[in-house]
Amino acid sequence: DTAVSQTPKYLVTQMGNDKSIKCEQNLGHDTMYWYKQDSKKFLKIMFSYNNKELIINETVPNRFSPKSPDKAHLNLHINSLELGDSAVYFCASSQGGWDSHSNQPQHFGDGTRLSIL
Amino acid sequence: AQSVTQPDIHITVSEGASLELRCNYSYGATPYLFWYVQSPGQGLQLLLKYFSGDTLVQGIKGFEAEFKRSQSSFNLRKPSVHWSDAAEYFCAVGGAYSGGADGLTFGKGTHLIIQP
Repeated sequence: DTAVSQTPKYLVTQMGNDKSIKCEQNLGHDTMYWYKQDSKKFLKIMFSYNNKELIINETVPNRFSPKSPDKAHLNLHINSLELGDSAVYFCASSQGGWDSHSNQPQHFGDGTRLSIL
Repeated sequence: AQSVTQPDIHITVSEGASLELRCNYSYGATPYLFWYVQSPGQGLQLLLKYFSGDTLVQGIKGFEAEFKRSQSSFNLRKPSVHWSDAAEYFCAVGGAYSGGADGLTFGKGTHLIIQP
């Protein structure tokens, strides 16, 4: 069984559209994340989400918003897509809450390659 | 702010030769350190992690890494590489504060090429 799954694997769309990427983890983890990997393979944290508390990387445009219907899911919504949004987006999860003082390793999904035309 | 430097963008190694990938970090408190591997078109797989204790940690696929606080380094090693080790390798640091809720900080990666 896949631990962290993302859909779709590929997403091709036009500028200005609104799109969503879904993420589900079956590991029973408490914290979920979204990362962006640019064309140079650089990975950068976008969001961390735990028990309805959200930490946002200040560099992320407010066109990006995470939505968590339950503990096992953290979906990424993107409004008014721009060319610069083209990247691979990774979802990840880890055990433990924010007060656990133990940094458990993060498990990553296979990524969603977003291409903006 | 925490940061990770992987000074080698590309490394080419002959199959069967030993490998060392360098990683230096900057963090104001006890760092939690990780190495991940990414094969083409794939997600990231955890190779190994360091939280505390023995500074030499063993990982999967025959990899090991050594934490050296005095050098702020966490270099990855393998005694004999296989063609299947060709991939992108990422070093990452996580904060001890708040269980790393602010996510991992990654280096820019080292692309490993294996020569036959």
